Amino acid sequence: EDKVVQSPLSLVVHEGDTVTLNCSYEVTNFRSLLWYKQEKKAPTFLFMLTSSGIEKKSGRLSSILDKKELSSILNITATQTGDSAIYLCAVAGGTSYGKLTFGQGTILTVHP
Amino acid sequence: DADVTQTPRNRITKTGKRIMLECSQTKGHDRMYWYRQDPGLGLRLIYYSFDVKDINKGEISDGYSVSRQAQAKFSLSLESAIPNQTALYFCATGELAGAADTQYFGPGTRLTVL
Repeated sequence: EDKVVQSPLSLVVHEGDTVTLNCSYEVTNFRSLLWYKQEKKAPTFLFMLTSSGIEKKSGRLSSILDKKELSSILNITATQTGDSAIYLCAVAGGTSYGKLTFGQGTILTVHP
Repeated sequence: DADVTQTPRNRITKTGKRIMLECSQTKGHDRMYWYRQDPGLGLRLIYYSFDVKDINKGEISDGYSVSRQAQAKFSLSLESAIPNQTALYFCATGELAGAADTQYFGPGTRLTVL
């Protein structure tokens, strides 16, 4: 059974701090790892990672995949209150193409 | 206009009632999914469909059924709702090719079963 574990489950920081969120996975026939941000309601897509060691970057957010360690990190620098959200990690793999297995999510709270 | 819409957005119902949640998309994607989200458990897949004639069970399909009425429409039914089906339900879509693993989510339906 495919498994995705995120840590920490929750994190409270102050504006300006840098945070690192972790995602580890066990999945057969790994294809990709995705990060989503969920504020209020619908998860919105951040990154998709398929190759080890190649950083994806968008503004203050960046992410990298380590296939050897079966893990990924999501970094947020100079955090702002608008970064407060649940960050979800999901992995695509297995025998059924197009299915994602999600982790529990990390709840990030950024205080002013 | 939103690419993936869900109706209703909120619903309160009683144990034993039949409930249908509807999802429509204008993204032209072939794949559609239903998930539920519970605190601390992330998103869990209920059913998914790769085209109109294809329906597949996810990890938690018991107590649910689905119908893919058209490429753009995918509905989820609870035949006889029970309190532990109280959750936030999301519909999602995905492409058949290209960035095939990326899924796009609707705004969610908050369902409360009393």
